[in-house]
Amino acid sequence: DGGITQSPKYLFRKEGQNVTLSCEQNLNHDAMYWYRQDPGQGLRLIYYSQIVNDFQKGDIAEGYSVSREKKESFPLTVTSAQKNPTAFYLCASSISSGGGNEQFFGPGTRLTVL
Amino acid sequence: KQEVTQIPAALSVPEGENLVLNCSFTDSAIYNLQWFRQDPGKGLTSLLLIQSSQREQTSGRLNASLDKSSGRSTLYIAASQPGDSATYLCAMRDANAGKSTFGDGTTLTVKP
Repeated sequence: DGGITQSPKYLFRKEGQNVTLSCEQNLNHDAMYWYRQDPGQGLRLIYYSQIVNDFQKGDIAEGYSVSREKKESFPLTVTSAQKNPTAFYLCASSISSGGGNEQFFGPGTRLTVL
Repeated sequence: KQEVTQIPAALSVPEGENLVLNCSFTDSAIYNLQWFRQDPGKGLTSLLLIQSSQREQTSGRLNASLDKSSGRSTLYIAASQPGDSATYLCAMRDANAGKSTFGDGTTLTVKP
């Protein structure tokens, strides 16, 4: 089955710790995205990658970092510099970053800071 | 900067009713508009994608329209069912490509 997987489904972090969220896709898509969703709100773009070894900051990149060493993988690290990291994190992909392309989403990771 | 607004924030209707969800945007320079469904605690499921050059798209009981001149898109759901209960989000893909702006969503409840 083709699709996007995210792990873990739930993640708990102590203050001051860095954590890494996994996102893998087997759709052969070039572009991948990370979004953050807070309760009752829409999605805000954290980082996106149009191609392997390339990525750009989105609207709320502070306190986050990413890498894109393989086409199918786009992990997100939430660093201790992110002051309010508790949220639902969604990964998405599209064939390319071109405007006409449909985005597909993974099931999400819910991060809670203890 | 693109701003996307969805009104109302919540909607409750009896089963069988036809309904319209609204999405408005401030910048008409868009590449496409995508409607999604989100169930509680889940990811987003793509429902319909309308390219900038198109006026509408249909899938089953769903019909989405796009009017760039007025900065509006609507999602029409025919003969609503309890299984349609979810949050519906619209997203605009910026004309500069690479980035989408999402509305906050409309939470729909269809009562049996």
